[in-house]
Amino acid sequence: QKEVEQNSGPLSVPEGAIASLNCTYSDRVSQSFFWYRQYSGKSPELIMSIYSNGDKEDGRFTAQLNKASQYVSLLIRDSQPSDSATYLCAGRYAGGTSYGKLTFGQGTILTVHP
Amino acid sequence: GAVVSQHPSWVICKSGTSVKIECRSLDFQATTMFWYRQFPKQSLMLMATSNEGSKATYEQGVEKDKFLINHASLTLSTLTVTSAHPEDSSFYICSARQGYNEQFFGPGTRLTVL
Repeated sequence: QKEVEQNSGPLSVPEGAIASLNCTYSDRVSQSFFWYRQYSGKSPELIMSIYSNGDKEDGRFTAQLNKASQYVSLLIRDSQPSDSATYLCAGRYAGGTSYGKLTFGQGTILTVHP
Repeated sequence: GAVVSQHPSWVICKSGTSVKIECRSLDFQATTMFWYRQFPKQSLMLMATSNEGSKATYEQGVEKDKFLINHASLTLSTLTVTSAHPEDSSFYICSARQGYNEQFFGPGTRLTVL
């Protein structure tokens, strides 16, 4: 089992809708989580970080962390075609030789169609 | 977010030559820098982690004598691909972090070895 698993994609939503991206994590991953957006041919761009249980909002983005269920989600409100990209969920290793390093989910391809 | 730059953004070289890629944190001191490689339509693969003033630690399967990493200052890390071969052609991305804060990626360097 991967330490961070993202819900299977690709995900297609109409412009203006809410896009919901989810991932689950294992016990090897700490309580620090990050969402990155990666456009085709580009490097990942950090869009949200979340460390505490609950919701964190930043503009059209809301990250949610549920420690009891070990899942993290990202909601994108009023989705725009420019949001079309691969979204990477990442968690930080909690210990061992990989302590502090990020482990990434496999990514979810989001397409927002006009 | 913090800014990480990479140079060059792309490079084409002949087989057997060496290529140096620079990674700079422009507005923060990066105590830790990471080097990733990404093949088309694949996930990010961590190659090595470097802490300022210390030797880099390499992931399993990454040849340290082929991928030389130097992190001489809190704002600069370099990756040198020695005796490059066509199979080394890839997208190389650095990432930087201050303490255990968020991790920011550079724009990447696309290496093509002929």
